[in-house]
Amino acid sequence: DAKTTQPPSMDCAEGRAANLPCNHSTISGNEYVYWYRQIHSQGPQYIIHGLKNNETNEMASLIITEDRKSSTLILPHATLRDTAVYYCIVRPRGTGGFKTIFGAGTRLFVKA
Amino acid sequence: NAGVTQTPKFQVLKTGQSMTLQCAQDMNHNSMYWYRQDPGMGLRLIYYSASEGTTDKGEVPNGYNVSRLNKREFSLRLESAAPSQTSVYFCASSETWGGVSDTQYFGPGTRLTVL
Repeated sequence: DAKTTQPPSMDCAEGRAANLPCNHSTISGNEYVYWYRQIHSQGPQYIIHGLKNNETNEMASLIITEDRKSSTLILPHATLRDTAVYYCIVRPRGTGGFKTIFGAGTRLFVKA
Repeated sequence: NAGVTQTPKFQVLKTGQSMTLQCAQDMNHNSMYWYRQDPGMGLRLIYYSASEGTTDKGEVPNGYNVSRLNKREFSLRLESAAPSQTSVYFCASSETWGGVSDTQYFGPGTRLTVL
């Protein structure tokens, strides 16, 4: 499985866009990029995933570079409730097995 | 639709005691998982069940056993608890094993302390 690198922490002002980077330079062609977040003392929450195209849903946007070696999760208008640890995960698709590997993630602090 | 539920929410054990953590999902998912999370760490996979009737070891299976009781329920058992097993335990489920429908949904966690 490809490894990911994320900054340990980031700050963002409330109402501004939060841009969380993730490096996955060893990603394989069949591996998806997933983002989850974990608000304090709660279980991880799925945010978004993508293969090579940019994706958007009601929570966030995912921008994947053309070479797929990095991606950025964008929270368009961050609120205090978005303060959490954000995990970038790369995993293969298919029926060979699925192990979600959560690293240390990025701790996002949204400040008023 | 409660999603993934876990019981108990908190538990304190003495070294050597046994207990079973319960997990249930009402989303008709095929696959279920158990993770542990230690302070300041990411999640580590303990065991998973790709489908009803199957279970497999994850990254850190030693000291644990699991049972996929039916499609809804997946339990984690500590036969002889040790202080190193003090952690927060999360159960998760996904529609499928692999493929594009294997987004995982997590329960609220069980906070276990072993003295």
